[in-house]
Amino acid sequence: NAGVTQTPKFRVLKTGQSMTLLCAQDMNHEYMYWYRQDPGMGLRLIHYSVGEGTTAKGEVPDGYNVSRLKKQNFLLGLESAAPSQTSVYFCASSYRAGVWTEAFFGQGTRLTVV
Amino acid sequence: EDQVTQSPEALRLQEGESSSLNCSYTVSGLRGLFWYRQDPGKGPEFLFTLYSAGEEKEKERLKATLTKKESFLHITAPKPEDSATYLCAVQASGSSASKIIFGSGTRLSIRP
Repeated sequence: NAGVTQTPKFRVLKTGQSMTLLCAQDMNHEYMYWYRQDPGMGLRLIHYSVGEGTTAKGEVPDGYNVSRLKKQNFLLGLESAAPSQTSVYFCASSYRAGVWTEAFFGQGTRLTVV
Repeated sequence: EDQVTQSPEALRLQEGESSSLNCSYTVSGLRGLFWYRQDPGKGPEFLFTLYSAGEEKEKERLKATLTKKESFLHITAPKPEDSATYLCAVQASGSSASKIIFGSGTRLSIRP
């Protein structure tokens, strides 16, 4: 049982390049989330999904797009990377609707944009 | 504005020296308060959920308590393996599953 798996774990991009981060969960969870974590700022929600084929904006969605074509996968895309997007990105999933509890996180993707 | 503040930012303790971490929050009605542990280079790991003032939860050397304005994570006789960053998060009443507000965490270091 792998839980939540993120790929890649590390990436360096040049300004203006694009990339996709993949999140896969094997727990049959309905809810999936993408967060970014910056020093001194805690975790901030980028986008989330409440089920296959649905996505919604979180707190800091600008510059990112997401897709959830399959229940187990949640993709985060950067169309034109900027240095401000240098961060650690975490994917999470949870099975409870309404009350957010016992969310499971992936190991993170450390992204550097130069 | 909904807000979560954790203090101190960092805490260094000697092994066996008990202490408490604080999470103060301002939300329009609390639906749930969550504590997570995060080790360097890893994702947060769920510890506790608290729903109402007066509630307490325990797990090994950790005990979480909740009042109407803050939560404490008490660490009793800590060991070096308790060293980690501890994150607090809250969900407000009436909000969607997306409305989870995280604090910036407390970095705890336990010296042998």
